[in-house]
Amino acid sequence: EVQLVESGGGLAKPGGSLRVSCAASGFTFFETWMNWVRQAPGKGLEWVGRIKSKTEGMTTDYAAPVKDRFTISRDDSKNTLYLQMNSLKTEDTAVYFCTTEAPFDYWGQGVRVTVSP
Amino acid sequence: DIVMTQSPLSLPVIPGEPASISCRSSQRLLHSNGHNYLDWYLQKPGQSPQLLIYLASNRASGVPDRFSGSGSGTDFTLKISRVEAEDVGVYYCMQSLQSITFGQGTRLEIK
Repeated sequence: EVQLVESGGGLAKPGGSLRVSCAASGFTFFETWMNWVRQAPGKGLEWVGRIKSKTEGMTTDYAAPVKDRFTISRDDSKNTLYLQMNSLKTEDTAVYFCTTEAPFDYWGQGVRVTVSP
Repeated sequence: DIVMTQSPLSLPVIPGEPASISCRSSQRLLHSNGHNYLDWYLQKPGQSPQLLIYLASNRASGVPDRFSGSGSGTDFTLKISRVEAEDVGVYYCMQSLQSITFGQGTRLEIK
C-alpha cells in the first residue's frame, strides 16, 4: 500500500525558516519524481515544485512564488522527500501536500504551515 | 505559464441529475505523443485531493463509471452522469504539459 506521510509543519515568523518532510512507502521511491502542492486556507490547490529521480539528475523546478526561497530535496536511502522553506512570508501559510509524479495518484494527508508575526 | 480556467465555480446539483464542469487552458495541452496532459481531481471536505481522470479521458483506478472526461487541445469537460451525495466537494483540473498548474476549482453542492 502506498503511503505518504508529511511531518514537520508548525508556526514560523515572517523571514524565518521551516523544513517539512514526507516519508514514502509502498512504491519504488528512488525512481519516482515527487511533487509538493499547497493549499492556503479556503483557497485552491497550488503547485509548489518537484524533484526528478536520481537517474534524471534530481533536477528541481519551482513555481514562481517560491523560487529562490524554497528548496526541494530527497534522500532515497530513507525514502524521504523534503521541502526547505526560507524567507517565509505570511502568504506561504498553507497546508502542504506531497504527491508522486503526475498524474497525482497518491497524496499525503498534508502538513500545516503557519507564518505569522 | 499555462493558465487553467474552470466554469462554473459553483455547481448546485439535484441528486440523480447530471453535472458538467468545463476547463479551458491558455495553451494546447496536446503532446506530440497524442496525449492531452489534463487531469481531474476531487477534494472532498476535509480530505486530500484524489485523482479522478488522467490524460483527459482515462478514469483512475476505483473511480465510478458515472465520471467521464473528454476534450482535446484547450477545451476539456468532466461529466458526472448521475450525481450522488458522496460527489460533493471541489473539482480541479490540472495541466502537466508545461510545469503544473491547477484550475481555480469548482465547488459541487447538493441542492
